[in-house]
Amino acid sequence: DTGVSQDPRHKITKRGQNVTFRCDPISEHNRLYWYRQTLGQGPEFLTYFQNEAQLEKSRLLSDRFSAERPKGSFSTLEIQRTEQGDSAMYLCASSSTRTSGMSGELFFGEGSRLTVL
Amino acid sequence: GESVGLHLPTLSVQEGDNSIINCAYSNSASDYFIWYKQESGKGPQFIIDIRSNMDKRQGQRVTVLLNKTVKHLSLQIAATQPGDSAVYFCAGVPSSGSARQLTFGSGTQLTVLP
Repeated sequence: DTGVSQDPRHKITKRGQNVTFRCDPISEHNRLYWYRQTLGQGPEFLTYFQNEAQLEKSRLLSDRFSAERPKGSFSTLEIQRTEQGDSAMYLCASSSTRTSGMSGELFFGEGSRLTVL
Repeated sequence: GESVGLHLPTLSVQEGDNSIINCAYSNSASDYFIWYKQESGKGPQFIIDIRSNMDKRQGQRVTVLLNKTVKHLSLQIAATQPGDSAVYFCAGVPSSGSARQLTFGSGTQLTVLP
């Protein structure tokens, strides 16, 4: 297993179009997270799954955003009717609740960079 | 909720010197703190973490210090190398104990000078 993988790495779209990003977590990690990162800022939490259940959503996740993890493995993040303000890096991370000790280190993917023209 | 922030957006050090990156937090109810390193074009990478009941933790070439009295933590990198050039983030986890609420600061860009 080579870690968390995200696809596509870069996406350029026109305002109003829909985009979908995919995340494949580390095998057997039961937790999966989506974060958004804009230039010069730290990642901001968007949403989180434990297995296939979406347990938490940030207020940043407007109704144009939807995330799924249908089989508890890979996840998709869809943005409908994209706006220029959606331009950012979308990071996926995974972790395991079976990690002993601390609450669980997050393993991040390399992100999907979205540019909305 | 937790609020974390870094004191300096940029830091330049000579190769071989020690680096100290500082971070402040506002919520005393955090269970633990994590330092991440992010190289250009890559996702954040875990460096080291520390529980709130500790004041120091050491890793390979890195040490994290936690001062709960002044709500401050620092990351010390010994013998800084060119490969250490990156943005460093501190992140706090509230006492609910799940990394799902990881709150990141805005980061310090560390530049290692030859």
